[in-house]
Amino acid sequence: GENVEQHPSTLSVQEGDSAVIKCTYSDSASNYFPWYKQELGKRPQLIIDIRSNVGEKKDQRIAVTLNKTAKHFSLHITETQPEDSAVYFCAASMGRQLTFGSGTQLTVLP
Amino acid sequence: DAGVIQSPRHEVTEMGQEVTLRCKPISGHDYLFWYRQTMMRGLELLIYFNNNVPIDDSGMPEDRFSAKMPNASFSNLKIQPSEPRDSAVYFCASSPPGDHTDTQYFGPGTRLTVL
Repeated sequence: GENVEQHPSTLSVQEGDSAVIKCTYSDSASNYFPWYKQELGKRPQLIIDIRSNVGEKKDQRIAVTLNKTAKHFSLHITETQPEDSAVYFCAASMGRQLTFGSGTQLTVLP
Repeated sequence: DAGVIQSPRHEVTEMGQEVTLRCKPISGHDYLFWYRQTMMRGLELLIYFNNNVPIDDSGMPEDRFSAKMPNASFSNLKIQPSEPRDSAVYFCASSPPGDHTDTQYFGPGTRLTVL
């Protein structure tokens, strides 16, 4: 089955700096790669996703890049703000079954 | 739409008791997923349904766990008998039909504590 590895497990940045979280996947058939944000005690919420026919997607301060050849994808957050502090999960799927990475605890320091 | 609804939000029970967790997916969604989240194991898919039919239950930890979806508006996950290691947050998620509609919408979760 699919295996998703996520790095780093924790990340601290100064407010206004950029944050990058990286994931690798094992199954070359995977074609859908969402990113979820989970605040403490809350549900995971989709923040951005990308499909395998697209190399990059951007939504305001958030962007995701995908390298199918290397089987890795990354989340980029620019101009970080304290409210960006949360756990971020990447996931990969072929079909409907998502396999999640282990999560990255992002802390934005004021 | 109210989103995915789960009940109860918190459940505390004693080892050996039966636990039932409930989920109402978003109206019109035909996929329903049950996940378990723990610090040690992260987010794990337990089982998922399409059009009320279980498609993959390979993530169900053992026979103590069972899940049903009797109609398009309701699913339940039962643990009998419960054990302390079942303590976790259980999320239900749903997604709509069609191609390129893989987005899963999560419910608020049920925090289960087994003493």
